[in-house]
Amino acid sequence: GQQVMQIPQYQHVQEGEDFTTYCNSSTTLSNIQWYKQRPGGHPVFLIQLVKSGEVKKQKRLTFQFGEAKKNSSLHITATQTTDVGTYFCAGPFGSARQLTFGSGTQLTVLP
Amino acid sequence: NAGVTQTPKFQVLKTGQSMTLQCAQDMNHNSMYWYRQDPGMGLRLIYYSASEGTTDKGEVPNGYNVSRLNKREFSLRLESAAPSQTSVYFCASAHAGTLIEQYFGPGTRLTVT
Repeated sequence: GQQVMQIPQYQHVQEGEDFTTYCNSSTTLSNIQWYKQRPGGHPVFLIQLVKSGEVKKQKRLTFQFGEAKKNSSLHITATQTTDVGTYFCAGPFGSARQLTFGSGTQLTVLP
Repeated sequence: NAGVTQTPKFQVLKTGQSMTLQCAQDMNHNSMYWYRQDPGMGLRLIYYSASEGTTDKGEVPNGYNVSRLNKREFSLRLESAAPSQTSVYFCASAHAGTLIEQYFGPGTRLTVT
């Protein structure tokens, strides 16, 4: 079945440093989604990428979808303590729009 | 709009006990999902429902049953709880369309002793 792998599993950064998490799928994806989960909270949708090579920005967050549509990355510039949480990528499959989630990258930002 | 609601928020069960986790959404979404989240393993799909009256197994369905009572409600039942089912359970829903964003409920933290 479809597998979505995400690295690193954990990342500790000093406030102000940059952060990147990477996502790789075993199959070509029609699109990829990114979610953020704050500690003790639930996943919240951030963005969906659809096109090969697509790059989208949300303030300090930059999302990329690979040319082959099998990998993606999320880059945060100048991290802040509000960026703390776990970031998940997810790839769709099936007729009911099911998602396969990566295992997530847990980001800690040290003040 | 309340979005996706789940009850209860916390639950402790003894091995062998049964319980039902409730989920409801008020966004008129067709699809609903149940996930479990364990440390280091991300979110794994237990069951899903593409529309009212239909349910299908996900990646980890063993030990669970579901009911799509109507378009709003999707419940998850543990018939005979086991310690391996200790987890955080999330319900989610999604609208039909090209953007398949899933909206998650606040979760239920279940401990089976």
